Amino acid sequence: GQNIDQPTEMTATEGAIVQINCTYQTSGFNGLFWYQQHAGEAPTFLSYNVLDGLEEKGRFSSFLSRSKGYSYLLLKELQMKDSASYLCAVYSGGYQKVTFGTGTKLQVIP
Amino acid sequence: NAGVTQTPKFRILKIGQSMTLQCAQDMNHNYMYWYRQDPGMGLKLIYYSVGAGITDKGEVPNGYNVSRSTTEDFPLRLELAAPSQTSVYFCASSQVNQPQHFGDGTRLSIL
Repeated sequence: GQNIDQPTEMTATEGAIVQINCTYQTSGFNGLFWYQQHAGEAPTFLSYNVLDGLEEKGRFSSFLSRSKGYSYLLLKELQMKDSASYLCAVYSGGYQKVTFGTGTKLQVIP
Repeated sequence: NAGVTQTPKFRILKIGQSMTLQCAQDMNHNYMYWYRQDPGMGLKLIYYSVGAGITDKGEVPNGYNVSRSTTEDFPLRLELAAPSQTSVYFCASSQVNQPQHFGDGTRLSIL
């Protein structure tokens, strides 16, 4: 089976930096996705890590360590619109099976 | 540029009724998925498909059925609706090693 853990909630200040962690235990790991989901909306894709290291995309970066079963999403220069849930999802197995964690609800405050 | 289209957007069912949630994608993706999301929770995989004629169970398949007769369509069937199936249902599609594209969701209430 698979086990994916994320903090339930986080609060950060506008303009600051926040790191959202994700740990996972899985067999046949192929990659890890991060999605953003605003309340009442569908998830939207942020990043995809296959190899160890840091992937940077503007204000958002994602890191992966396969040996530690660990990833984080780093959000810089936080804006109010970044208030959302951030979902970590593991892609594993011979088929394209994608399993989501419970998500981290981020609140950005002025 | 439709992407993934889910219908209906909202539905109220009575206990014991049946219904089919429709999902269609126009991106020629091989892989399609059904998830449910309960309030304040993450996405739970119900069923997925790697191509026409091939489906497999996810984490929470009980009470649901799927079929994949074409690449474009992946309907989800509830045979005997139960209050525990009240949720938001998302359909998604992807190509190999690519991120999933999600539909806008179907909000289902069973009373």
